[in-house]
Amino acid sequence: DAGVIQSPRHEVTEMGQEVTLRCKPISGHDYLFWYRQTMMRGLELLIYFNNNVPIDDSGMPEDRFSAKMPNASFSTLKIQPSEPRDSAVYFCASSRDRSNEKLFFGSGTQLSVL
Amino acid sequence: GESVGLHLPTLSVQEGDNSIINCAYSNSASDYFIWYKQESGKGPQFIIDIRSNMDKRQGQRVTVLLNKTVKHLSLQIAATQPGDSAVYFCAENNAPGGYNKLIFGAGTRLAVHP
Repeated sequence: DAGVIQSPRHEVTEMGQEVTLRCKPISGHDYLFWYRQTMMRGLELLIYFNNNVPIDDSGMPEDRFSAKMPNASFSTLKIQPSEPRDSAVYFCASSRDRSNEKLFFGSGTQLSVL
Repeated sequence: GESVGLHLPTLSVQEGDNSIINCAYSNSASDYFIWYKQESGKGPQFIIDIRSNMDKRQGQRVTVLLNKTVKHLSLQIAATQPGDSAVYFCAENNAPGGYNKLIFGAGTRLAVHP
């Protein structure tokens, strides 16, 4: 298996632009998670899905952030409009099911908002 | 674990020594705990996990100890090697409603010196 695949690997954009991050979870995994990592706040859980349904989005910082999972093999995290304080590494992770909590992480997207 | 802001606690060890990384978790109802290793520029990688009905679990060169009385978790690495240099995170499954929801601590940087 190729593991969790994220794209792009790096994204540089200007303040006010829309940013879309993409994730393909491991096939057969029921759970998908979006985390954000910064030096100040560490690894923060933004949102997670179970069987494509958003379960908990309490970590999404503002209405500028939105996430979708249209099918079992694809998810997006969108920021519109982006701001410099959104600069961070965004990780997608997946896990198999309720009894297998181990997360498998992608390589992350390094986002820089200028 | 508690956030430490800009600076991660750092553990410096000599190659060949044993390392012990500590973590305090927040929710006494958490039933699953896990350690991850993160190398620079990469996503977190699974090391070892433990359920709350156990107090010790061993892997290859690693041991996790769980003390539920004081809500403390530790990771022991035997015969530490330069390749062990990384940031180590503990996480707990903090999921009301029965879903998986891993919440991560701030992390500890392990620096291995030859």
